[in-house]
Order: sequence, then C-alpha cells, then structure tokens
Amino acid sequence: GAVVSQHPSRVICKSGTSVKIECRSLDFQATTMFWYRQFPKQSLMLMATSNEGSKATYEQGVEKDKFLINHASLTLSTLTVTSAHPEDSSFYICSAPLRGTGGDYNEQFFGPGTRLTVL
Amino acid sequence: GQNIDQPTEMTATEGAIVQINCTYQTSGFNGLFWYQQHAGEAPTFLSYNVLDGLEEKGRFSSFLSRSKGYSYLLLKELQMKDSASYLCAVSDSNYQLIWGAGTKLIIKP
Repeated sequence: GAVVSQHPSRVICKSGTSVKIECRSLDFQATTMFWYRQFPKQSLMLMATSNEGSKATYEQGVEKDKFLINHASLTLSTLTVTSAHPEDSSFYICSAPLRGTGGDYNEQFFGPGTRLTVL
Repeated sequence: GQNIDQPTEMTATEGAIVQINCTYQTSGFNGLFWYQQHAGEAPTFLSYNVLDGLEEKGRFSSFLSRSKGYSYLLLKELQMKDSASYLCAVSDSNYQLIWGAGTKLIIKP
C-alpha cells in the first residue's frame, strides 16, 4: 500500500517556540493532504485541508495564523505550530487520499503521527 | 448536524467474536470506513462499504445498511493484538471524512 511519512515522530519544545512537522507521500502524489489533531482518548479532529499550489482550508475554530500550512509540492505538506503553548500539546497526524484499488473511493493513508509536548 | 455514534468501550475474550456497531447521520454519503488504531499510533485502514451488505476480509467483516444509517465491524477469533480502538468514519457529500469517537476494544485472555 501507499506510504506516508511524518517527521519528527516526537518533539518537546518550550512555550513560545515554533515547531514544524513534515508530511510526505513516499510513493504517490497527493494534491490534497489532511492534518488532524488527536487529544488523549478522543477521536481525530480535522484541522485543515492542505492543497498543493493553493491556500489551505481550515476547519472552524482552527487559527490559520497559529497553524501555518504549506503544501510545497505534490509529495510534501508542512504544518508549523507557531508560538506553541502547553494546550497545543497533542498528537498530530497527517493523511493523504489515494483512490482505492478496485473501487471508486479515496482511502486515507495516514502518517505515523507526531507527538508534540509543549513545556 | 453530522453525527457518528459508536460505543466507547467493549470487552471480549480471546478466541471469541465481537461486533462493534456504528450509527451515522451525515449530509450525504459516499461510503463508510473502519480503521484500527493502536495506542500512540496512527489509524490503519480495515474496510470500506458503500453498498448495503457484508464485506468479508479474513477475520474481519464489515456490514452496511444505508437505509438504517448503520454499520458494524465483526471481529472473529479474537487475538490479544486486536486490542485497539476501532474508528468508524463516513465520507460525506464533499468526500470529507466524519469521524466517530472510536470504540476501545479490550481483549482478555
């Protein structure tokens, strides 16, 4: 199956610093990538849709100036958490859709996730 | 509004069978997905249903009834490694995934 990588897998930073998370589709091109956040014991929450060559689409309640998304190429999207605070500590996961084999649907391939801890 | 409901937690015995239910109310429907997520890891794809009926894949099967807005994931011959959260997600009219909160499945020996 398709592979999506994410880097770093874990990051600890001080409050007020910025953190960049990379999401790459390794063996396929993705014009769209999704960024999710997951707090402990909760489901995935879609933060934004990253579009190659255009601006990202943010979900209601997600601050676009705080969570900067850049979809630089067909295989790379980055999420930068600016001026991170302890409440931003979470598990951040990216995914990229790919048409499923034998069907007319888009299967989501997920990156391994990034555990962000802001002290 | 859009809503996906599934039980918060279930417990089953190794070797047994367990059924995890999911009901949904969404604006449009373009398929229902089941994902498995182990603690601290990203979700992995299990199944996709867009037509009514049962899809079988090894020990796992998934069922869909569009008229009832209902699906279930059936896990047979449970193994300890099946202990995980199982997420139900529906693709709405915009092909955006709407996620359930997940069902934590605990397998006991």
